[in-house]
Amino acid sequence: QKEVEQDPGPLSVPEGAIVSLNCTYSNSAFQYFMWYRQYSRKGPELLMYTYSSGNKEDGRFTAQVDKSSKYISLFIRDSQPSDSATYLCAMSASRRNYGQNFVFGPGTRLSVLP
Amino acid sequence: GAVVSQHPSWVICKSGTSVKIECRSLDFQATTMFWYRQFPKQSLMLMATSNEGSKATYEQGVEKDKFLINHASLTLSTLTVTSAHPEDSSFYICSAAQGDNSYNSPLHFGNGTRLTVT
Repeated sequence: QKEVEQDPGPLSVPEGAIVSLNCTYSNSAFQYFMWYRQYSRKGPELLMYTYSSGNKEDGRFTAQVDKSSKYISLFIRDSQPSDSATYLCAMSASRRNYGQNFVFGPGTRLSVLP
Repeated sequence: GAVVSQHPSWVICKSGTSVKIECRSLDFQATTMFWYRQFPKQSLMLMATSNEGSKATYEQGVEKDKFLINHASLTLSTLTVTSAHPEDSSFYICSAAQGDNSYNSPLHFGNGTRLTVT
């Protein structure tokens, strides 16, 4: 079993739809959770980060963490064609030197159709 | 926002030659930078952690003599792929930790370098 799993997609939705992207993980020590957006041939861009369980909202994006189920989600409201990209979840167990301990999911490719 | 510039964005080289990739933090100082490799439709795999003024720390299975990393200043880290072979063809991405590489230091990524070795 991989440490972080993510449905690779592609996920196609119509413009304006609510998108739900998910990751599951096996390491209960993870406590920092991030979502990155990566456009084709570009580096990842940080969208959201959360600590432990709960929800966090930023504009059209909402991140949810359920540590009891080892499950995290990113919701995108009123999706736009410009949201078409690959979405990577990432997580870390370490507060210090946490960059070295990032584990990335394989990414979900999202396509928002106009 | 914090910007990480990576250069070149793509490079084609012949087998046996060496290629240098630069990663610069443009508007912040980065004590720690990271180098990743990404294969098509796969996630980022950490290759090494680069600390300013000290030797890089390589992940298991990454040849340090093949992938030379230099972090000579707080804004520049370089990755040199030595004696490149076709199997080294990949997308290389750097990131920089803004701050003290703790949870409060978000990672900012460069736009990657696509290396093709012929």
